[in-house]
Amino acid sequence: QLQLQGSGPGLVKPSETLSLTCAVSGGSISRSSYYWGWVRQPPGKGLEWIGQIHYSGTTYYNPSLKSRVSISVDTSKNEFSLGLTSLTAADTAVYFCARCELNIKMAMDVWGQGTTVTVSS
Amino acid sequence: DVQLTQSPSSLSASVGDSVTITCRASQGITTYLNWYQQKPGQAPKLLIYTASNLQSGVPSRFSGRGSGTDFTLTLSSLQPDDFATYYCQQTYFAPWTFGQGTTVEIK
Repeated sequence: QLQLQGSGPGLVKPSETLSLTCAVSGGSISRSSYYWGWVRQPPGKGLEWIGQIHYSGTTYYNPSLKSRVSISVDTSKNEFSLGLTSLTAADTAVYFCARCELNIKMAMDVWGQGTTVTVSS
Repeated sequence: DVQLTQSPSSLSASVGDSVTITCRASQGITTYLNWYQQKPGQAPKLLIYTASNLQSGVPSRFSGRGSGTDFTLTLSSLQPDDFATYYCQQTYFAPWTFGQGTTVEIK
C-alpha cells in the first residue's frame, strides 16, 4: 500500500528557506499517471494548493507563491521535495504531501500525515 | 482563480440524519470537482472525485452530484465517524483551489 512520509524542520526563522521532503514507499514515484503535490493549511484555516510535479520534471505552481516556491523530484530516492524561500509568519502551516492521480483528474488520493512548520525568530 | 463557495460553513446534525453540503464555483468547471473529509489533526481524505465518483473504500452513504458551477455532497444516515470538516476542490483551472470548508458537528 502506497504511503507518503513528510519530513523537515518544525521551526524556521523569518526570511529563511524551508525545505521539506516527502518519501514515497510501497510504490514507484516514476509512474506516468501520477503527479506529486504539496498542500498547506495555516492553523485553524482551510487548504491551499502549493504545486505539484511529475517524475519527468514537469511542474505546476500556485501563482500566489510562484516566485518563492520550487518542487523537485529524486527518482533514485523515490522522494520529492518542496522549497519555499523568504519565509514570513504567514507561511506557518501544516504542510501535506499528496499523490495526484491523472486518471481521476488530479484528485489527491493518497496523503502524507502532515509536517507542522512554524516561522518564528 | 476559481473561487469555490461552500454552504453552510457549519451545521449541527444527529446520528442518522441526512445532510447536504453545497459547493458553488465562480466559473464552470464541468465535473472536475472533488470532496475531501478532514478530522482534527489528520490529513484530508478523498471521498468523491469528478463530482460523483465514490473513492474506493468510502461508504456508500456518501454521494456527490453536480456539474458546471453547482455541486452537492450528501451524507445519508450520519454515523459518529462522519463528524468532521468537508472541503470541495476543483482541478479544472490551475491553480487548483479548495472551498473554505464545512464543519459537521454533533447536535
